Amino acid sequence: QITLKESGPTLVKPTQTLTLTCTFSGFSLSTSGVGVGWIRQPPGKALEWLALIYWDDDKRYSPSLKSRLTITKDTSKNQVVLTMTNMDPVDTATYYCARYEYNRSSLGSYWGQGTLVTVSS
Amino acid sequence: QTVVTQEPSLTVSPGGTVTLTCASSTGAVTSGYYPNWFQQKPGQAPRALIYSTSNKHSWTPARFSGSLLGGQAALTLSGVQPEDEAEYYCLLYYGGAQLWVFGGGTKLTVL
Repeated sequence: QITLKESGPTLVKPTQTLTLTCTFSGFSLSTSGVGVGWIRQPPGKALEWLALIYWDDDKRYSPSLKSRLTITKDTSKNQVVLTMTNMDPVDTATYYCARYEYNRSSLGSYWGQGTLVTVSS
Repeated sequence: QTVVTQEPSLTVSPGGTVTLTCASSTGAVTSGYYPNWFQQKPGQAPRALIYSTSNKHSWTPARFSGSLLGGQAALTLSGVQPEDEAEYYCLLYYGGAQLWVFGGGTKLTVL
């Protein structure tokens, strides 16, 4: 059974750095063809892809946010961490992590429940 | 900046058929964009329906199908059920830049 779960602060102040952790089970990021991505959704708005880390530690970022994002993995802990610097109220959103499968070209076959992050002073 | 466009809203009658589309600002959508489709209901995480244009996940109801139509990715619902009322998102892969882009979503009303 594949599961993913996001964790991190629910409230951050403007200019602070956000650190979110995705803890998953049912698969390993050391397996070829697997990855974990981050997606966010502001209240009442559309989904936005943020970043993706592959089994071989290759990383891809949304061009519009690339300068603020860092994605890393800890294979031994089955965790992926996303950091976003210089947070702003417009970054208020539900943040999701999701599984990627190379052989299916599928991003989002499994999702976490999401975690709502509010940016406010 | 790459933009993926979907119909903002559509309405369909129960038992009817509806097609949602997904267009790219860069030109025609092909299989190389590996279109993925998701369903999202209020307060829930998105649920995957279709990957790589037309492939269904094991949990995808048979009434959902994916295709390419007129240079766009398409999601067709045949025999729509009341529980299909939801927001639907497409996701495209841009291999040159190696990035993924979601569409703006289509709010499907079953009425």
